[in-house]
Amino acid sequence: DVQLVESGGGLVKPGRSLRLSCVASGFSFSDYSMNWVRQAPGKGLEWVSTISRTGNYIDYADSVKGRFTMSRDNAEKSLYLQMDSLRAEDTAVYYCARAGGLFDYWGQGTLVTVSS
Amino acid sequence: VLTQSPATLSLSPGERATLSCRASQSVGTYVAWYQQKAGLAPRLLIYDSSSRATGTPDRFSGSGSGTDFTLTISSLQPEDFAVYYCQQRNIFGPGTKVDI
Repeated sequence: DVQLVESGGGLVKPGRSLRLSCVASGFSFSDYSMNWVRQAPGKGLEWVSTISRTGNYIDYADSVKGRFTMSRDNAEKSLYLQMDSLRAEDTAVYYCARAGGLFDYWGQGTLVTVSS
Repeated sequence: VLTQSPATLSLSPGERATLSCRASQSVGTYVAWYQQKAGLAPRLLIYDSSSRATGTPDRFSGSGSGTDFTLTISSLQPEDFAVYYCQQRNIFGPGTKVDI
């Protein structure tokens, strides 16, 4: 079965950094582009970033461009999101999601809370 | 931009639900629908406007092309009360909540 397991969330002060991880299993990780999608409390879904299969193409939402960095390690079947200069509005559950044009499998999410 | 209507749909088990998603410009048939229950991750239901994802019950059907898309639940089951999002590329609609 396809599984995606996120970790690394927590409470962080504004301006600080946090690194999220997502470990994949049950499929050939290197064959798929991957995404981060977030959901603020009580709100809808917001795409954050996408990385290609090899990692040579990465795209970001304007709301996080210049502050977040997505990467992957195909040997470790892992996905990462380095989040710097965090703001209160970054507070959300962050999901990793497998993509091939659509988000067909999702992890359970990890909560990031940015608050002083 | 994707808009969804209505924002909330209040129905009873056994009733038919019709959810709408409208795109600001033509997107062909590249629209997907997701179901999200409280506290859980979204789940893919429909892709390419009308194809059911693995495990999606046949009471769920999708239709549409261009700018107007519809998700229909033919007979609501108790487990279908949730929020439904449409999606095209990196854009999600605001969601429709189906509640009792």
